[in-house]
Amino acid sequence: DVKVTQSSRYLVKRTGEKVFLECVQDMDHENMFWYRQDPGLGLRLIYFSYDVKMKEKGDIPEGYSVSREKKERFSLILESASTNQTSMYLCASGHRGLLNTEAFFGQGTRLTVV
Amino acid sequence: QKEVEQDPGPLSVPEGAIVSLNCTYSNSAFQYFMWYRQYSRKGPELLMYTYSSGNKEDGRFTAQVDKSSKYISLFIRDSQPSDSATYLCAMIKNTDKLIFGTGTRLQVFP
Repeated sequence: DVKVTQSSRYLVKRTGEKVFLECVQDMDHENMFWYRQDPGLGLRLIYFSYDVKMKEKGDIPEGYSVSREKKERFSLILESASTNQTSMYLCASGHRGLLNTEAFFGQGTRLTVV
Repeated sequence: QKEVEQDPGPLSVPEGAIVSLNCTYSNSAFQYFMWYRQYSRKGPELLMYTYSSGNKEDGRFTAQVDKSSKYISLFIRDSQPSDSATYLCAMIKNTDKLIFGTGTRLQVFP
């Protein structure tokens, strides 16, 4: 079974803190994605990576950065957390050439910034 | 304008009803079309994907794509309470960027 594991299910952080969300996949997938999910807005792509050390901005990259030092791990970094970054964060992975395969999602991390 | 539009619902139907879920899109570069299902407090899971215009059937589920109208649909026959979930349409262009609709929340009551 494909497994995409996110390090935390729930996280509470203070405004201004640097926050790290970790994601690990065990299927040797080339592509990894970070989305945030908000009511009425659906899943919005923050960043995605198609190879180690490679990254591409999604639709809402502002306030976020990412790191992909190893193929199986993709980290999302909130440089200085703000209350408008309170959201559900979902990590996904898939083989290159998503036209012929699917993206697998983790369980999500619900982040609250106070 | 969003690239992918989807009515958020909620949609509430009785058990056994036929459900129709829809998305429209604006970019003709989208090539592949998918439907994901997301149960409460879980990540989305792929339900079906299609490429060309036309229908694709899998059990009680039928996915329909009309590229000329930029319109995709998911039909659920004989809906069950276990189908209660949020259904998200998703699309891919020629890169691997997966773009989602907002999701439609479906409730099937016994």
